[in-house]
Amino acid sequence: AQKVTQAQTEISVVEKEDVTLDCVYETRDTTYYLFWYKQPPSGELVFLIRRNSFDEQNEISGRYSWNFQKSTSSFNFTITASQVVESAVYFCALSEVPHGNSKLTFGKGITLSVRP
Amino acid sequence: EAGVAQSPRYKIIEKRQSVAFWCNPISGHATLYWYQQILGQGPKLLIQFQNNGVVDDSQLPKDRFSAERLKGVDSTLKIQPAKLEDSAVYLCASSLSVQGAYEQYFGPGTRLTVT
Repeated sequence: AQKVTQAQTEISVVEKEDVTLDCVYETRDTTYYLFWYKQPPSGELVFLIRRNSFDEQNEISGRYSWNFQKSTSSFNFTITASQVVESAVYFCALSEVPHGNSKLTFGKGITLSVRP
Repeated sequence: EAGVAQSPRYKIIEKRQSVAFWCNPISGHATLYWYQQILGQGPKLLIQFQNNGVVDDSQLPKDRFSAERLKGVDSTLKIQPAKLEDSAVYLCASSLSVQGAYEQYFGPGTRLTVT
């Protein structure tokens, strides 16, 4: 069975600090996809990134970067120079496509508070 | 492009009453999902449709929950009768297809409180 663990429950940083959100996953499949979503106080989940299991290159998008390491089954997310508006709950999720559906298994989420 | 629409945004009912939620996915998206998000947890899939057919309803409590997707577009999720533990946010999402794990786009959710 697939599982996503986000061991950090709450993180608080001061604006402009860097912060890394950890994600560890479990799956028996060799083909899968990993996602990060953001859930601001408004409640709507916002898609941030999708990564497939065959692409281990790190991804950078502006101040956001993602580190995918199959050897440790981790897909960590770093925000550089964090901003107050980035305060939200961040979810890591896993999709095992070969099983014929694309349902997402989510972690419990990490509440990030960025203080001014 | 319009996003995923859901209504109502909030609903308060007493236990044993029934309730229905509505979802309109992004135009052209073949796959529609209903998730339940209990406070402090990540969303959990209840049911997944591909067009108007059910792909996965293994975690749907079928004794009280039902869902349909008429004509492969809008969808309705119903709870009858509601229990206290059904208090949660019900999220609808859609994606282009079930193949390839396209990103899912989520609606604003319906917050249900059962008293």
